[in-house]
Amino acid sequence: QVQLQESGPGLVKPSETLSLSCSVSSGSMNDYYWSWIRQSPGQGLEWIGYIYYTGSTKYNPSLKSRVTISIDTSTNQFSLRMTSVTAADTAVYYCARGDPTYYSNSSGRQIPWHNWLDSWGHGALVTVSS
Amino acid sequence: DIVMTQSPDSLAVSLGERATINCKSSQNLLYTSNNKNYLAWYQQKPGQPPTLLIYWASTRESGVPDRFSGSGSGTDFTLTISSLQAEDVAVYSCQQYYTSPYTFGQGTKLEIK
Repeated sequence: QVQLQESGPGLVKPSETLSLSCSVSSGSMNDYYWSWIRQSPGQGLEWIGYIYYTGSTKYNPSLKSRVTISIDTSTNQFSLRMTSVTAADTAVYYCARGDPTYYSNSSGRQIPWHNWLDSWGHGALVTVSS
Repeated sequence: DIVMTQSPDSLAVSLGERATINCKSSQNLLYTSNNKNYLAWYQQKPGQPPTLLIYWASTRESGVPDRFSGSGSGTDFTLTISSLQAEDVAVYSCQQYYTSPYTFGQGTKLEIK
């Protein structure tokens, strides 16, 4: 059973950069998508972005200009970096694994598709405040 | 972005009774080439992360009790708990994975009456 654990500072000052890491244990990162999702106090879930194990990324357009997700499969970790944070970025940040399915394109190549999130970390509360 | 709207926002049901939560998407989630609906349901108990209950709108994740079922197609979906147990108190959220950005409903809080 894969396990995910977020780590990073719980307090970030406005205009500074939020950095979180997610450690993945009991499993390989290969063949999966790795996502960041956040939940503001009393609010619903917001998908931030993902990174495929190959390093390809996709971000929520609402955050794309401020977000970078990176991966290090040799250490079984992936990371989130969010710049120029404001109080609106105060949230619990979750890392999660995305389970892909594969489709064949016209050339017969297997193309992965990001689906549901089947394993989640416990979450890390990040407060943006001076 | 695809907007996911759940109803009701909160629900109180007696133990042993049926609980029904609805999820409506602003766009069709049925991919006609494979006849699959790109919708998942999650359960989030207080102080815990979400856990996957159902994917493809109606396929139960391994280990999920069979009192949980999902139905619907296109833009309208339902999560049903056939006989509510005390441990089912949680917030339930739907999520579309038809297209990025992957969006969630606002959540439905389920309590015991």
